[in-house]
Amino acid sequence: KQEVTQIPAALSVPEGENLVLNCSFTDSAIYNLQWFRQDPGKGLTSLLLIQSSQREQTSGRLNASLDKSSGRSTLYIAASQPGDSATYLCAVRDGNNRLAFGKGNQVVVIP
Amino acid sequence: ETGVTQTPRHLVMGMTNKKSLKCEQHLGHNAMYWYKQSAKKPLELMFVYSLEERVENNSVPSRFSPECPNSSHLFLHLHTLQPEDSALYLCASSQIGQAGYGYTFGSGTRLTVV
Repeated sequence: KQEVTQIPAALSVPEGENLVLNCSFTDSAIYNLQWFRQDPGKGLTSLLLIQSSQREQTSGRLNASLDKSSGRSTLYIAASQPGDSATYLCAVRDGNNRLAFGKGNQVVVIP
Repeated sequence: ETGVTQTPRHLVMGMTNKKSLKCEQHLGHNAMYWYKQSAKKPLELMFVYSLEERVENNSVPSRFSPECPNSSHLFLHLHTLQPEDSALYLCASSQIGQAGYGYTFGSGTRLTVV
């Protein structure tokens, strides 16, 4: 069974600092990996999707890397802003089209 | 309407009530899902409908009953729920067989059982 771990569980950073969020997974036979953002009481918003054959994806201030062989992904958020405060979820999709989620990184950006 | 739409956004129900959650996807995807999100726990997959086949998590109680009348609509019928069923219920859709496509989630229904 795929296990997904996200470290740290929670972090606070001053505005302007770069954010580094880590995700690890136990089974490297993944189809793709997706990073989501969730605001309190809301649904999930997809940020980036990395296919298993890719090493990274970028969108604006966000960059996600994937090292499938070591079972790791990292989400970088450059020059953090208070509006980046949210929970970030990592999810890996297997060949059976199932998503396994981590518990999330809860981020607070302090103005 | 675009994406995945869920109604209602909030629902309060007694333990003897029967209610239904509705989900509609406007993306032409061929699979739809129900997830449960409880505090301090990872998202839990409840049901999958893909290519008209239903797959379920065997740990989901029978008081939750899904229905998928077509590829765009998904319902979750609720009856005789327990207080511990209070959670955020999320619907999602995806395109099976396409590695470049991810999951798209709705905004969720916040369910409170009293």
